[in-house]
Amino acid sequence: EDQVTQSPEALRLQEGESSSLNCSYTVSGLRGLFWYRQDPGKGPEFLFTLYSAGEEKEKERLKATLTKKESFLHITAPKPEDSATYLCAVQATTGGSYIPTFGRGTSLIVHP
Amino acid sequence: GAVVSQHPSWVICKSGTSVKIECRSLDFQATTMFWYRQFPKQSLMLMATSNEGSKATYEQGVEKDKFLINHASLTLSTLTVTSAHPEDSSFYICSARGGGPSDTQYFGPGTRLTVL
Repeated sequence: EDQVTQSPEALRLQEGESSSLNCSYTVSGLRGLFWYRQDPGKGPEFLFTLYSAGEEKEKERLKATLTKKESFLHITAPKPEDSATYLCAVQATTGGSYIPTFGRGTSLIVHP
Repeated sequence: GAVVSQHPSWVICKSGTSVKIECRSLDFQATTMFWYRQFPKQSLMLMATSNEGSKATYEQGVEKDKFLINHASLTLSTLTVTSAHPEDSSFYICSARGGGPSDTQYFGPGTRLTVL
């Protein structure tokens, strides 16, 4: 069974204090790993897709990296507007329906 | 980027009535659509997966006669909550995925359902 564990559950940072969110996964074969951002009362917003170990992607203050066991979402010099819940999901190569498995998310609060 | 819309964004209804929620992929063809339910401060709970032109596949514990899903075209899926009761009150979110299983899943903005 595919499993996704995100840590920490909650993270409080001061504005400008860089940190990383972790997404550990167990799948029979990775087809893709996805990062989303979700604001309260809204649907998740797509951030990144990573397909293979060693891959990295960046967008503004966010950088996602991938290894064979985990992914990190690095946040550099965060701002209060980066406050949100960050969700990680993995999609396995097996299973005909290709349904992504989501983690429970990391709730990030950035204080000014 | 890929855009998914949902309508309505919020709805209030009386117990016993049915409510239909629409999910549309605006700039791509969605071969697969997903419906999720989310309770406050909890993660996404997958309700069902639907492929265009096929019957939806429901997750264990989700009543298919209560939550009717229709994926009639490559850009439209609907979720109908039949005979709604207060316990059906929740945040419902749809998502859509394009041609391949590796394709990214894009989410709609969600629909807040309140059943009185």
